[in-house]
Amino acid sequence: DAGVIQSPRHEVTEMGQEVTLRCKPISGHDYLFWYRQTMMRGLELLIYFNNNVPIDDSGMPEDRFSAKMPNASFSTLKIQPSEPRDSAVYFCASSKPPGLGRPAEQFFGPGTRLTVL
Amino acid sequence: GQQLNQSPQSMFIQEGEDVSMNCTSSSIFNTWLWYKQDPGEGPVLLIALYKAGELTSNGRLTAQFGITRKDSFLNISASIPSDVGIYFCAGQPNSGGSNYKLTFGKGTLLTVNP
Repeated sequence: DAGVIQSPRHEVTEMGQEVTLRCKPISGHDYLFWYRQTMMRGLELLIYFNNNVPIDDSGMPEDRFSAKMPNASFSTLKIQPSEPRDSAVYFCASSKPPGLGRPAEQFFGPGTRLTVL
Repeated sequence: GQQLNQSPQSMFIQEGEDVSMNCTSSSIFNTWLWYKQDPGEGPVLLIALYKAGELTSNGRLTAQFGITRKDSFLNISASIPSDVGIYFCAGQPNSGGSNYKLTFGKGTLLTVNP
């Protein structure tokens, strides 16, 4: 089975540009999570969705960040405008619904390494 | 928010040695999970624990859910070079309902010398 797919794997952009990160969760998983990983702060949850609906976005750093999940197989995380302090690795993870498995068991994608110059 | 204290931060061991790392929290968790992250990749789930006192093995890995529900440890026996990586603990808070957020520790960097 295909795992969580993220694109692009690497993104280098200049300050002020818009950045869009993409994620395809594992088929049948109806929870989707976006994380940011930095050396200083470790893995931080930004937002998560259940059945395409945002449930908790308390980790989104500021209004420059937005996330959408238009359907069960696709989600985006957008940063506009980007800043150098947004440089990090961004991970998407998904998990099964309670009826089919254990939602706490999250499966991670390979990540997108974002560098903002 | 909840904090997880993971220790040690790093370990340098010889191949064949056993390894132990742990996580503690000031809050109760319903679930403890252990992940491993290789360079350039996402974390991979190793073991999930759901009951206080539970002891679970996955090959050479053994993890336990602390009785107080505020801690967990991971042991790796007879380490091999491919065990190198960063190990993370993660906990699901006891906040009830369908909150499946995880809190992650800062990780333990394991280096194995052949």
